[in-house]
Amino acid sequence: EAQVTQNPRYLITVTGKKLTVTCSQNMNHEYMSWYRQDPGLGLRQIYYSMNVEVTDKGDVPEGYKVSRKEKRNFPLILESPSPNQTSLYFCASSLQRRGISEAFFGQGTRLTVV
Amino acid sequence: AQKITQTQPGMFVQEKEAVTLDCTYDTSDPSYGLFWYKQPSSGEMIFLIYQGSYDQQNATEGRYSLNFQKARKSANLVISASQLGDSAMYFCAMREGRPMDSNYQLIWGAGTKLIIKP
Repeated sequence: EAQVTQNPRYLITVTGKKLTVTCSQNMNHEYMSWYRQDPGLGLRQIYYSMNVEVTDKGDVPEGYKVSRKEKRNFPLILESPSPNQTSLYFCASSLQRRGISEAFFGQGTRLTVV
Repeated sequence: AQKITQTQPGMFVQEKEAVTLDCTYDTSDPSYGLFWYKQPSSGEMIFLIYQGSYDQQNATEGRYSLNFQKARKSANLVISASQLGDSAMYFCAMREGRPMDSNYQLIWGAGTKLIIKP
């Protein structure tokens, strides 16, 4: 089954404690991306990757890091989480081509930083 | 300036009625794609329908159709014969440009919360 898998689904952590949210896709997609969703703001892109070892900042990258060592994995790293990073996070992947390249989304990770 | 505007924060609709969710967009790129996603209370993002800027016909997928008016830059989602299970947040999103040489990101509206009344 084609899917994007995020872990964990829910996470409560304390300010400053490093954490990683994993994302893995089994569709051989080139393009992967992280978004955060906050009420009234829709989804905003944090980082994206157009292929292995190719990553770049989205609209709200501050406080986040990513890596793309393998095509299937795109972890999101919060080195020193702060309460303003409390949000719902989505990983998405898609083919890097014109047309109906819909984005497939993970189940979401609800992060609370206290 | 907002690239995607959804003017209806929330809507209440009677079951079995048709629903139109508004979406207007702003782009100067001739090549773009418009998407609608559904987000139920469980949180996942579910792809509903896609319209390409060069598509001649309005997209349809089962009970979902997209009323694409290119000159007005609108891409409204129409749900026919609404069901209780349609209650959810609905997001309109856009991709601009060519995927191979740019950040082919989805740009999102703020969403519309749809509640279907029995």
